[in-house]
Amino acid sequence: GAGVSQSPSNKVTEKGKDVELRCDPISGHTALYWYRQSLGQGLEFLIYFQGNSAPDKSGLPSDRFSAERTGGSVSTLTIQRTQQEDSAVYLCASSRQGRDEKLFFGSGTQLSVL
Amino acid sequence: KQEVTQIPAALSVPEGENLVLNCSFTDSAIYNLQWFRQDPGKGLTSLLLIQSSQREQTSGRLNASLDKSSGRSTLYIAASQPGDSATYLCAASGNTPLVFGKGTRLSVIA
Repeated sequence: GAGVSQSPSNKVTEKGKDVELRCDPISGHTALYWYRQSLGQGLEFLIYFQGNSAPDKSGLPSDRFSAERTGGSVSTLTIQRTQQEDSAVYLCASSRQGRDEKLFFGSGTQLSVL
Repeated sequence: KQEVTQIPAALSVPEGENLVLNCSFTDSAIYNLQWFRQDPGKGLTSLLLIQSSQREQTSGRLNASLDKSSGRSTLYIAASQPGDSATYLCAASGNTPLVFGKGTRLSVIA
């Protein structure tokens, strides 16, 4: 596609519910990142996928967070038993190959946990 | 652990002025340093990427410099315009995925 696509753009959920956020990277990009941005805070790294390598999960804040990337393309970030502190903008980015390449970001998913 | 700091947090300038945004990082073992722009409610747009072996990159009215030894990068914006109003973030890439600063919120007043 022309750019990184994320859906939904907005998600409102109740505390304790599970949510799934989707990211469709630029076609041909092998690297995919998830970040989150809380109000007034910087971007916080969550997880990084590179080709067929094991993902770098070092940024996931708890075991309620997980992500997968199917077929080296679309990625889904799942948050189980959502808490109010999970409210943030979740941003996905992709790059052609790896960490030394320019990143292209999607518009993000605004998650609000009530 | 890499830490990235941006000063100032906010900046307001009159249209036409040249300005400099500052970024510092603690670990000089980086692959590259990237500058992004973020408009309200939007994702990030990549502006410039400086590889660790480079000293600067230019794109139009933007010029970014990198001094690894001092752990600093600057983004120079020439002849600022109201359309330049946005938050500017720098990010350092090394053995860990990109680490971002909290950004500088720029307002260019017509």
